[in-house]
Amino acid sequence: AQSVTQLGSHVSVSEGALVLLRCNYSSSVPPYLFWYVQYPNQGLQLLLKYTSAATLVKGINGFEAEFKKSETSFHLTKPSAHMSDAAEYFCAVTSAGNNRKLIWGLGTSLAVNP
Amino acid sequence: DAGVIQSPRHEVTEMGQEVTLRCKPISGHNSLFWYRQTMMRGLELLIYFNNNVPIDDSGMPEDRFSAKMPNASFSTLKIQPSEPRDSAVYFCASSPPAPPSYEQYFGPGTRLTVT
Repeated sequence: AQSVTQLGSHVSVSEGALVLLRCNYSSSVPPYLFWYVQYPNQGLQLLLKYTSAATLVKGINGFEAEFKKSETSFHLTKPSAHMSDAAEYFCAVTSAGNNRKLIWGLGTSLAVNP
Repeated sequence: DAGVIQSPRHEVTEMGQEVTLRCKPISGHNSLFWYRQTMMRGLELLIYFNNNVPIDDSGMPEDRFSAKMPNASFSTLKIQPSEPRDSAVYFCASSPPAPPSYEQYFGPGTRLTVT
């Protein structure tokens, strides 16, 4: 069975600081990995996805994530936080044989302080 | 292109009433998912369809919940009778044919309040 663990339910950074949101996965087959962002009172929006091509994936709004098989990780980073990055971030995993279901992490709430 | 469309955006109803939530997936997508999000339980998958056929409804809380997808462009989630513990945000998401795409695209959600 696949699973996702997001380390840290709340992360706080200063504006302009590095954003690092951690995601570790468990999968016995090659995974497909995703990061989503949810702004208050909105639906989830796809930030980026890993589908077995390049291990460093660039997404929208300056975010990127690196797939590290040896560490079973897919951490999300952004060099410089903006106030507008304050939101809930979700990591998810699936695989070709998982019947299209995404397995979700519990989410990390990112606060950006001025 | 229009994204996933959900209606209504907000619904307030009294306990015991029937509630119907509606979803129009993105054109060309062949999978549709219904989720429920609460502070206590986070994001829960209720049911999903592939090519209009329900594939997995193991997340449906109980018989009060039912979902249909009569065609590729419309789905409903019905709660009858509704209870206060059903209060949540309900999301619909759709996904294009796979492979290579497995990502899901979410609608804006329906915020349901049952009093």
